[in-house]
Amino acid sequence: GENVEQHPSTLSVQEGDSAVIKCTYSDSASNYFPWYKQELGKGPQLIIDIRSNVGEKKDQRIAVTLNKTAKHFSLHITETQPEDSAVYFCAASISGTYKYIFGTGTRLKVLA
Amino acid sequence: DADVTQTPRNRITKTGKRIMLECSQTKGHDRMYWYRQDPGLGLRLIYYSFDVKDINKGEISDGYSVSRQAQAKFSLSLESAIPNQTALYFCATRDREFTEAFFGQGTRLTVV
Repeated sequence: GENVEQHPSTLSVQEGDSAVIKCTYSDSASNYFPWYKQELGKGPQLIIDIRSNVGEKKDQRIAVTLNKTAKHFSLHITETQPEDSAVYFCAASISGTYKYIFGTGTRLKVLA
Repeated sequence: DADVTQTPRNRITKTGKRIMLECSQTKGHDRMYWYRQDPGLGLRLIYYSFDVKDINKGEISDGYSVSRQAQAKFSLSLESAIPNQTALYFCATRDREFTEAFFGQGTRLTVV
């Protein structure tokens, strides 16, 4: 079946440093790749998404890059702040269906 | 008020009991989903519905059933709960494909 691998599972960075989370997907026809942030006790919330016809997208301190050839996409957070501490999930659409496969999550800790 | 409301937020139940988790949304979306979250496994799709007459199984539907009572309401039932159904359950809605999914705050279910 289709699969999304996400790394690392945990990540600690110093406040102000950058954080990078990587995902690899198996369905070469996937065309939509969202990233969700889950804070403690809350449901996941979309922070950024990218479609397969775009290689990079930025929103202030957050950016996502997509490499369709390698079938991988990454989340970049610059100038990290303590409020960035959360669990981050990547996801990919499954072609021919109305389903999305989620990665296993990355717990990001920003150390003050 | 939250766009997607789940009740109850926490529940402890005994093995063999029937339990229903409820979800209501004020987004006006047709698409509704139930996910299960387990540590290290990310979010896995249980069932999804595109309108009151359309119910579809997800990756892990065994042991679960759903009911779409109205556009705004989608409930998940465990007919005979078992301990390995202990997990965090999320309801979500989406307006159309390849757009943001809006999640509820989750129901933490423990089966003893």
